[in-house]
Amino acid sequence: KNQVEQSPQSLIILEGKNCTLQCNYTVSPFSNLRWYKQDTGRGPVSLTIMTFSENTKSNGRYTATLDADTKQSSLHITASQLSDSASYICVVSATGFQKLVFGTGTRLLVSP
Amino acid sequence: EADIYQTPRYLVIGTGKKITLECSQTMGHDKMYWYQQDPGMELHLIHYSYGVNSTEKGDLSSESTVSRIRTEHFPLTLESARPSHTSQYLCASSSLVQGLHSYNEQFFGPGTRLTVL
Repeated sequence: KNQVEQSPQSLIILEGKNCTLQCNYTVSPFSNLRWYKQDTGRGPVSLTIMTFSENTKSNGRYTATLDADTKQSSLHITASQLSDSASYICVVSATGFQKLVFGTGTRLLVSP
Repeated sequence: EADIYQTPRYLVIGTGKKITLECSQTMGHDKMYWYQQDPGMELHLIHYSYGVNSTEKGDLSSESTVSRIRTEHFPLTLESARPSHTSQYLCASSSLVQGLHSYNEQFFGPGTRLTVL
């Protein structure tokens, strides 16, 4: 069964600190992996998309990594800001399918 | 920021009412999607469309229906709302990104939070 699991479920960090969010997936055959940021009450916004041949991609203070062999991805946030408080969702797409498999997200709270 | 709009943003209605959730995009995307998301839970695909006059059911069974008469417009209708329909409904559209490994990049609207009393 195609699944995406994220950890931790929730996380509280102090402003200015770094953090890393994890994503494990069993989606096959793998096409691409995406990280989205979803503010409360809003739609998800894409942070990064990595295809099979990419193992790292950055978007400002966000850096995503992908290990297609172990089927794991991480999202590293550097020098966190209060505006980083949101849910971060890992989403995986399988080759040939139009649909995406969503994780339940990691809820991040950045505290002053 | 993506040009995809949803109205209303919030809706509180009584059981048995008919409602239509609007979704419009100005990006000319052929593919559009409706997702349902309960608080703290993952998004579930309930409907999608490949283009005008195309509608398909998603992974999660839903009593809602959709139509696609125009490329930019993908409304979702509930003929008789019930408390079990209380949820957040997210609309999305996608464009094909060509490359060594092509993929569809999805852009999401802000969502409609529906509460059925």
